[in-house]
Amino acid sequence: KNQVEQSPQSLIILEGKNCTLQCNYTVSPFSNLRWYKQDTGRGPVSLTIMTFSENTKSNGRYTATLDADTKQSSLHITASQLSDSASYICVVTVYSSASKIIFGSGTRLSIRP
Amino acid sequence: AAGVIQSPRHLIKEKRETATLKCYPIPRHDTVYWYQQGPGQDPQFLISFYEKMQSDKGSIPDRFSAQQFSDYHSELNMSSLELGDSALYFCASLVNSGNTIYFGEGSWLTVV
Repeated sequence: KNQVEQSPQSLIILEGKNCTLQCNYTVSPFSNLRWYKQDTGRGPVSLTIMTFSENTKSNGRYTATLDADTKQSSLHITASQLSDSASYICVVTVYSSASKIIFGSGTRLSIRP
Repeated sequence: AAGVIQSPRHLIKEKRETATLKCYPIPRHDTVYWYQQGPGQDPQFLISFYEKMQSDKGSIPDRFSAQQFSDYHSELNMSSLELGDSALYFCASLVNSGNTIYFGEGSWLTVV
């Protein structure tokens, strides 16, 4: 069964600190993996997208890694800001079927001043 | 740059009423997806369209219908609304040959 699992479910850190969110998937065949940031009540906003051959991709203070062998991805946030408080969702696409998009449950990140 | 536009952003309806949500994809995007996300829940895929034809169907109730028009915008029609239909409905678009999916801001539907 295609699944995407994220950890931790929720995380609270102090402003300025770094954190790492995890995403494990069993989706096969794999097409690509995206990390999205979703503010409460709003649609997800894309942070990064990685295909099978990519190991690392950065977008400002966000750095995503992908290990296609172990089927794990991480999203590292550097020097967190209060505006980083949101849900971070890992989304994996099944190859050859653009509509087979598997969402992780997300990690709820709260940044405290 | 233009993004995916959804309207209305917020909608309050009574039980058994009908609601219509609209999604305007990014120009030249030919594929639209609709998702439903209940409070604290994962997004659930409802339905998708490619070149104005339904391309896939997910957990869309029979009370709901959707279509994609000639200008590629899409509408989600919801009838006989139930309290459980209260959710964030967001659409996404992409070029079918591309990788990146762009999401709209979402439409909040509250059924009272």
